[in-house]
Amino acid sequence: ETGVTQTPRHLVMGMTNKKSLKCEQHLGHNAMYWYKQSAKKPLELMFVYSLEERVENNSVPSRFSPECPNSSHLFLHLHTLQPEDSALYLCASSHLGEAAYNEQFFGPGTRLTVL
Amino acid sequence: GENVEQHPSTLSVQEGDSAVIKCTYSDSASNYFPWYKQELGKRPQLIIDIRSNVGEKKDQRIAVTLNKTAKHFSLHITETQPEDSAVYFCAAIADYGGATNKLIFGTGTLLAVQP
Repeated sequence: ETGVTQTPRHLVMGMTNKKSLKCEQHLGHNAMYWYKQSAKKPLELMFVYSLEERVENNSVPSRFSPECPNSSHLFLHLHTLQPEDSALYLCASSHLGEAAYNEQFFGPGTRLTVL
Repeated sequence: GENVEQHPSTLSVQEGDSAVIKCTYSDSASNYFPWYKQELGKRPQLIIDIRSNVGEKKDQRIAVTLNKTAKHFSLHITETQPEDSAVYFCAAIADYGGATNKLIFGTGTLLAVQP
C-alpha cells in the first residue's frame, strides 16, 4: 500500500482501557506527526518525530504516549483516556531536507470514541 | 507563538460562482502557507501552497494570494463545482530554526457548492 496508512480506522474504548494507534508511511519521509482533529476546532499538532528528535505540544496530556521505532512507523499509545479525547487522530509525514516546509501527507485517520 | 484565524467558518455558493476564504496569521516570521482540502470522511490533502517570496500563485481554478504586510492570505476558487464542496484549512509555519515543521492550522471553512 502506498502513502500513509493508519490502523485501526475506528476504535471504541473505555476509560480504563489501553490501546495503541499505528501509522506507517511508505513515502521515504523522515518526519512523522500526530494530529488531533475535533469538531469545530483547528487541527492540533500533538507530536513530531523528526530526524530522531521528538518535539511535543506541551498541552498534550501524559495519557497520550508516542513511539517512533523507525522513520516509517509511528505509534500513539493510549491509556486512561477521557471522553473529551474522542476525536479523529491523524498521522502525517513529510520529508525534511534542504527545501524547508515540505508538504505533509496525511493518513486517513483513526476515529476514536472514548466511553 | 503563531495563531491563525480563518473566515468564514461556512460558505455556500452557487455552482459557477467564485469562493474566497481568508486567513490571518500573527507571526511575522512565518513564511510558508499551505491550503488543505478535506472531503467528508477523508484525509486532508494539500491543494496549493505559497511561500513568502511571492504574492500570488495560481493552479487552474484555484489561486492563493499573500499580503505579508497585513499578514493575511486568501484562497480563491473560481467556477466552483459541486466536487469543490469540502472543508478547507489554511495553515502557517511557525518555525524558529529547528528541523521540524510546526504547521499551525486555521479552524476550517465548510464550503458548500449548490448545483
